[in-house]
Amino acid sequence: QLQLQESGPGLVKPSETLSLICAVSGASISASTYYWGWIRQPPGAGLEWIGNLHYDGRTYFNPSLKSRVSISVDTSRNYVYLRLTSVTAADTALYYCAGYGDFDSFDVWGQGTMVTVSS
Amino acid sequence: QSALTQPASVSGSPGQSITISCTGSSSDVGSYNLVSWYQKYPGKAPKLIIYEGSERPSGVSYRFSGSKSGNTATLTVSGLQAEDEADYYCCSYAGSSTYVFGTGTKVTVL
Repeated sequence: QLQLQESGPGLVKPSETLSLICAVSGASISASTYYWGWIRQPPGAGLEWIGNLHYDGRTYFNPSLKSRVSISVDTSRNYVYLRLTSVTAADTALYYCAGYGDFDSFDVWGQGTMVTVSS
Repeated sequence: QSALTQPASVSGSPGQSITISCTGSSSDVGSYNLVSWYQKYPGKAPKLIIYEGSERPSGVSYRFSGSKSGNTATLTVSGLQAEDEADYYCCSYAGSSTYVFGTGTKVTVL
């Protein structure tokens, strides 16, 4: 059974870089046909799609974040990474890793990791 | 890329049916049959309940159904139960391998 687990620093200072890890278990990233996505939810707000990494290595991002975000994988560790540069308080959110699979939807989710941007 | 528009809140009594609309544009909802719906409890991860507009994953109650007309997708919850009290989000493919979520709807069971 595919499972995802996010982890990260919890607190990031303004203007610094946010780096998160999504540990994938139950399937090999390199052998999977899933797209790996990141979605966030600011406090009191709705879900926002950040971006996806396709199994062919191509990445696609929310236009509003495209200049600051990257997604990558480490197939040896079965990790998916999110990197968001030049963060501000507006980037404070619960960040989810999700798998976009055969149902043409995000059918598997991690539990999320909270990131607060504050000095 | 603007968030899809959902009503902020919808309420109903046990046993009733409710509908949640998800309004987008011809660039997203109107152009693709790739709307999904998610149920989210506070402090929990979202759960997929409808995909491809009207399909239910295995294990999801038949009381959840989805449809689409033009630029608006709709989630219907029939036979409302206390356990249905949660937040609901739609999501649509928006072209060029991008996606957009709805603003979210809080469902209250009276």
